[in-house]
Amino acid sequence: AQSVTQLGSHVSVSEGALVLLRCNYSSSVPPYLFWYVQYPNQGLQLLLKYTSAATLVKGINGFEAEFKKSETSFHLTKPSAHMSDAAEYFCAVSEAAGNKLTFGGGTRVLVKP
Amino acid sequence: DAGVIQSPRHEVTEMGQEVTLRCKPISGHNSLFWYRQTMMRGLELLIYFNNNVPIDDSGMPEDRFSAKMPNASFSTLKIQPSEPRDSAVYFCASRRDWPREQFFGPGTRLTVL
Repeated sequence: AQSVTQLGSHVSVSEGALVLLRCNYSSSVPPYLFWYVQYPNQGLQLLLKYTSAATLVKGINGFEAEFKKSETSFHLTKPSAHMSDAAEYFCAVSEAAGNKLTFGGGTRVLVKP
Repeated sequence: DAGVIQSPRHEVTEMGQEVTLRCKPISGHNSLFWYRQTMMRGLELLIYFNNNVPIDDSGMPEDRFSAKMPNASFSTLKIQPSEPRDSAVYFCASRRDWPREQFFGPGTRLTVL
């Protein structure tokens, strides 16, 4: 069985500061990992994905994440927060050959001017 | 290219009424997923289809819930009879076999009074 834990349901950052969202997963087989963003009253949009190629993955809007097998982590970072980054972020895991995504509980990001 | 289309975007109904949610996946995608999002339980996978065939419906909460996919371009999720605890945002997502990321629709916000 797979599971995802996102540490911190709410994160507050100042505009221009580093954004760091933590994600730890458990999977009995090599995983595929995803980060999605959800803006208010919208569906989920893919930010980036890890599918067993490079461990440092770059996504849209300046976000990136690093897969660390030894730590079973896939933390999301952005060097400089922008007001438009205010949203909820979800980490998700699937088995490499599987169909189902298991989502974490989400982290809501607030960006302060 | 149009994304995943869901209708209606909002639905308000009374307890006991039948509710039908609709989804049109992205053309060429052969897997379709129905999710439910609530504050208490987060994002839950209800059911998914591959090539129009239901593969895993273990997330469907009760017999009151049913889903169909009569063809590659249309799916429905039906709740009969509806209850207040069914109030949630229901998302439809679709994807190809490769790459494996799921594309989400804008969701249907269901309120059962």
